[in-house]
Amino acid sequence: QITLKESGPTLVKPTQTLTLTCTLSGFSLSTSGVGVGWIRQPPGKALEWLGLIYWDDDMRYSPSLQSRLTITKDTSKNQVVLTMINMDPVDTATYYCAYTSAVGPMLSIDYWGQGTLVTVSS
Amino acid sequence: QSVLTQPPSVSGAPGQRVTISCTGSSSNIGAASAVSWYQQLPGAAPKLLIYGNVNRPSGVPDRFSGSKSRTSASLAITGLQAEDEADYYCQSYDSSLSSVVFGGGTKLTVL
Repeated sequence: QITLKESGPTLVKPTQTLTLTCTLSGFSLSTSGVGVGWIRQPPGKALEWLGLIYWDDDMRYSPSLQSRLTITKDTSKNQVVLTMINMDPVDTATYYCAYTSAVGPMLSIDYWGQGTLVTVSS
Repeated sequence: QSVLTQPPSVSGAPGQRVTISCTGSSSNIGAASAVSWYQQLPGAAPKLLIYGNVNRPSGVPDRFSGSKSRTSASLAITGLQAEDEADYYCQSYDSSLSSVVFGGGTKLTVL
């Protein structure tokens, strides 16, 4: 059974750096073809793609956010970490990590974490 | 403003059929990128409903079906039930942006 769970701070101050951890269960990020991505959803708004990392360390980021994002993986801990710098109140959102087993044009998000709400406020 | 365009809302009575459209362009849906659909129940994470334009994951009822034509895609729900009331999102890949893209979401109300 594939599950993902996000963890990290619920409140960050403007200009601070956000670090979220996604703990994986039921699969390994060392398995060929597997990727873990991050998506966010501001309250009452649509889903927004942030980026993902594949089993082979290939990383893809949203063009609009790539200057602020870093996604890394720790295969031994079965975790993926999202780092976003220079947080702003507009970054307030529920952040989801998610599993995919496809690439590029065929990508679908097969499993989602429960999400974690991050509020940016002073 | 989302790269993929969906109607903000649709509605239908129990037992009816509704469709939700997702309009893209020649750099995403029209470029042969696959379309996926997700259902997001109130307060919950999204769940995969359709992948590869027309395929249902195990456990998704066959009341849900997907289709694609040129630069647009559609999700059809037949035999509408109260528990289908949710937000629905389409997703594809944009080759110009080299990025996954989502629609703005459609709220389905079961009357």
